[in-house]
Amino acid sequence: NAGVTQTPKFRVLKTGQSMTLLCAQDMNHEYMYWYRQDPGMGLRLIHYSVGEGTTAKGEVPDGYNVSRLKKQNFLLGLESAAPSQTSVYFCASYQPTGRSGANVLTFGAGSRLTVL
Amino acid sequence: AQSVTQLGSHVSVSEGALVLLRCNYSSSVPPYLFWYVQYPNQGLQLLLKYTTGATLVKGINGFEAEFKKSETSFHLTKPSAHMSDAAEYFCAVTLSGGYQKVTFGTGTKLQVIP
Repeated sequence: NAGVTQTPKFRVLKTGQSMTLLCAQDMNHEYMYWYRQDPGMGLRLIHYSVGEGTTAKGEVPDGYNVSRLKKQNFLLGLESAAPSQTSVYFCASYQPTGRSGANVLTFGAGSRLTVL
Repeated sequence: AQSVTQLGSHVSVSEGALVLLRCNYSSSVPPYLFWYVQYPNQGLQLLLKYTTGATLVKGINGFEAEFKKSETSFHLTKPSAHMSDAAEYFCAVTLSGGYQKVTFGTGTKLQVIP
């Protein structure tokens, strides 16, 4: 019962380096999301996907790219990391159940990224 | 568009006392509302949700919340706080009708004093 798995759990980068965060879900969920969590700011949506091969921008997409080549995976990329991207990143997934369904998100455990 | 406002970034209660965490929402259409809990170094877990029907919603661990349309509120309560309730709590909103985005509040950290 893995649910949503994020790798890596921790990473330290230098300014300008690139990296990719991987989110994998085994629940066959259609929708997947990347959020960042910062003190006092709650969770802010970076990018999301409503199906394989689709992506869309959230509230704070600048400096990030995403890909959803396979339904079970949602990758978040930082091409040139900046200290402002120091944060905890959460992936979540959701399976829509029709117009009356509610978006109950299943979250991963988080990936803590520090950019020096 | 939708948004939520959580009043109080930190709340302290004594063990056994009433827990009240406040959430007000704004949405252009009937909302779906949620409370999530986050324990240290973990992801978020669903406590309870409101979609349609009964406005008093019961969740896990003895928590409940009441949807009040006239006040645009969805406050979270628990009659008697337990030490294990210490965590951060997030209110969230989405729009009914298959809307894709969920918007979170800024969170309230609950401290339980023995």
